[in-house]
Amino acid sequence: EAGVAQSPRYKIIEKRQSVAFWCNPISGHATLYWYQQILGQGPKLLIQFQNNGVVDDSQLPKDRFSAERLKGVDSTLKIQPAKLEDSAVYLCASSLEGSVTHGYTFGSGTRLTVV
Amino acid sequence: AQSVTQLDSQVPVFEEAPVELRCNYSSSVSVYLFWYVQYPNQGLQLLLKYLSGSTLVESINGFEAEFNKSQTSFHLRKPSVHISDTAEYFCAVSPIQGAQKLVFGQGTRLTINP
Repeated sequence: EAGVAQSPRYKIIEKRQSVAFWCNPISGHATLYWYQQILGQGPKLLIQFQNNGVVDDSQLPKDRFSAERLKGVDSTLKIQPAKLEDSAVYLCASSLEGSVTHGYTFGSGTRLTVV
Repeated sequence: AQSVTQLDSQVPVFEEAPVELRCNYSSSVSVYLFWYVQYPNQGLQLLLKYLSGSTLVESINGFEAEFNKSQTSFHLRKPSVHISDTAEYFCAVSPIQGAQKLVFGQGTRLTINP
C-alpha cells in the first residue's frame, strides 16, 4: 500500500511570509495528524482530524497556524505569518479510526527553514 | 497529561556491542508504550509496542523493550548492534482510555561505529 505522502520536502521562507504544506494519508485511514518536530525535540502534536472534523487542536498556535481536511482525505497545514521559531520538520501521520494500537504511519515530513 | 523523558540524547556504540536506550514516562493514567525509529531522511516507523500481557516485547530486527510499571520505564535494548541500526529512536506513550494520542520523548540518536 502507498504510504503517507507529503509535499514539499523542503521549504525556505523569510519571516512574516506564509507557507502551506500538503499531506495525503493512506487510503481508508480516517484519522490524520500533523506533528511539529523541532530540532533536538520529539514530535509534538499540532492537530488531529477524524474524517473532516477536528478532534484535538489544543497545541495549535491558532493566531498563525491553520489546517483543514475538507473532504476527509488530504489535508493542508498553513502558517501565516511565519516566525523564526517555526523552523522545524512538519510530519503528517494517519491511522485507522484514531487507534494507537496499530501504530501511526508517518510521512517523510516537510523541513521548513524560516530565515 | 503524559510526559516522556529519554535520558540520553546521543548514544555512540561500536558495531556488535550491546546497547540500551533509556525511557521513563510520567502519567496519572494507564498507558500504552511504543518505540519508534527514524532512519535518515525517512519518516518515523513503529519498532515495537507494549499494550498488555508480557512485559517484555520484541521487534523483528532483534530489539526488545521491557515495561517496568514500578519504575515507569520502557528501556530499549539490543544485544548486538549493526551499522544499519544507526537512526534516531523515539519513545512514546498514549493513554489507554479516552482520547488516544502519542506523546513523544525528545529522541536518542544511536550512532554505530565500525
